Amino acid sequence: QQQVKQSPQSLIVQKGGISIINCAYENTAFDYFPWYQQFPGKGPALLIAIRPDVSEKKEGRFTISFNKSAKQFSLHIMDSQPGDSATYFCAAYQVGGGPGGSYIPTFGRGTSLIVHP
Amino acid sequence: GAVVSQHPSRVICKSGTSVKIECRSLDFQATTMFWYRQFPKQSLMLMATSNEGSKATYEQGVEKDKFLINHASLTLSTLTVTSAHPEDSSFYICSARDIGSYNEQFFGPGTRLTVL
Repeated sequence: QQQVKQSPQSLIVQKGGISIINCAYENTAFDYFPWYQQFPGKGPALLIAIRPDVSEKKEGRFTISFNKSAKQFSLHIMDSQPGDSATYFCAAYQVGGGPGGSYIPTFGRGTSLIVHP
Repeated sequence: GAVVSQHPSRVICKSGTSVKIECRSLDFQATTMFWYRQFPKQSLMLMATSNEGSKATYEQGVEKDKFLINHASLTLSTLTVTSAHPEDSSFYICSARDIGSYNEQFFGPGTRLTVL
């Protein structure tokens, strides 16, 4: 079964610190790697996404680092704020479709981030 | 970004009744929508893929007669939980695939179903 392994399961960071969440995938056909942020009682919201033709993508305080050879990608939240406290899910899927692949995302198990003020 | 709405956001019903949840893509057409179920502190579990104008594709272990899915238009999919029981209580989330945006999926805000 296709898997995306996410770690850590929970993370506590002080305000201003760096939060790092890691994901590893198995299916080399995956070509789109989004991160979602979910607040309690709400649906997931797309935070940032990357395609495997680049090794890093930055949007404000959020950065994705992508290592294609290791089949790993990570989310870095710089200057973490209490408002960043949420559950973060990584996902991976095959945008282009094609045999053996699917545009249905495979999700990681989630990371509960708490940023202390 | 694209907006997906769900209605209702919260519903409480008695055991044995049926509940319908609507999922709408507000500013794009979605040929494909997805229905997920999420238990507390867990990841999203895909229940079914809904294609406009055709039958839904259910994931293994999901009862298609219990979770009826209809995708009658390019902007609306509905999930009906038939003869609901307390074990069906959960957070149900839909998403819609925007083929004009890298097949990105945009999620609705979710529906909290509580069956008494």
